[in-house]
Amino acid sequence: DSGVTQTPKHLITATGQRVTLRCSPRSGDLSVYWYQQSLDQGLQFLIQYYNGEERAKGNILERFSAQQFPDLHSELNLSSLELGDSALYFCASSADRSNSPLHFGNGTRLTVT
Amino acid sequence: GNSVTQMEGPVTLSEEAFLTINCTYTATGYPSLFWYVQYPGEGLQLLLKATKADDKGSNKGFEATYRKETTSFHLEKGSVQVSDSAVYFCALTLSITGNQFYFGTGTSLTVIP
Repeated sequence: DSGVTQTPKHLITATGQRVTLRCSPRSGDLSVYWYQQSLDQGLQFLIQYYNGEERAKGNILERFSAQQFPDLHSELNLSSLELGDSALYFCASSADRSNSPLHFGNGTRLTVT
Repeated sequence: GNSVTQMEGPVTLSEEAFLTINCTYTATGYPSLFWYVQYPGEGLQLLLKATKADDKGSNKGFEATYRKETTSFHLEKGSVQVSDSAVYFCALTLSITGNQFYFGTGTSLTVIP
C-alpha cells in the first residue's frame, strides 16, 4: 500500500461531460503529481503541486485543470471530455526532498463513451 | 533537456532466465535514478533507486548501478520468475527542476513457465 488514495477507481461518462478525480497524498507528503497513462502514449506528466501552489506543468490540455487544497488533497478536473481522454489517471505524491521517490495511487480508469 | 530512454519491448523470457532492461539518461545536473514496476491493474511501485554515481540499488533480486560515465542505469535480475511479469519504468528526478520526474516509455516483461 503506497498510502496514496485515489477515487473513484472507475468512471464512465459521455463525451462533452465534466468529471473530477480526487487524490489524497501520503501522510506528510507536500507534493502531488498527476499523470495520464494511455496505451499509445505511455505515462504523460500533467501537472505538479507543492503545498497548494502549482509548481510545474506538463502536457496538460486547457480543458483540464487541477488544484491542491489546504489539507493537501488534490483534484483533477476534466471538462468537455472527448473519446481520446479515455485513459488511466494516476496521482503520485512525494516528500519533495532531492532524493524522494514518487508514491503512486492505483489510478482512476476513465472511459469516455 | 532531461530525458530517459529505455529499451523497446515487449520482452519475453523463460522462467529462471537472466534479465537486463537497458536504461540511459540525459540530465542537466546530477539526477537521482529510479526503477518502477507496474503490475497489471495497479499503479507504479518503486522497485529500487540510486542517488549518486556508482550507487547500486537492489530489491527483490533486482539490481541497477548508477553509471555516470555511460549515463546508464540498467536493470538486471539473475533468475526471473513468472511473478515478475509486469511493465518496468526507468525514471530520473532533479532537484534543480523542482523535483520533476522524467519517465521512460516502459518495458513490458512477460515470463513464461
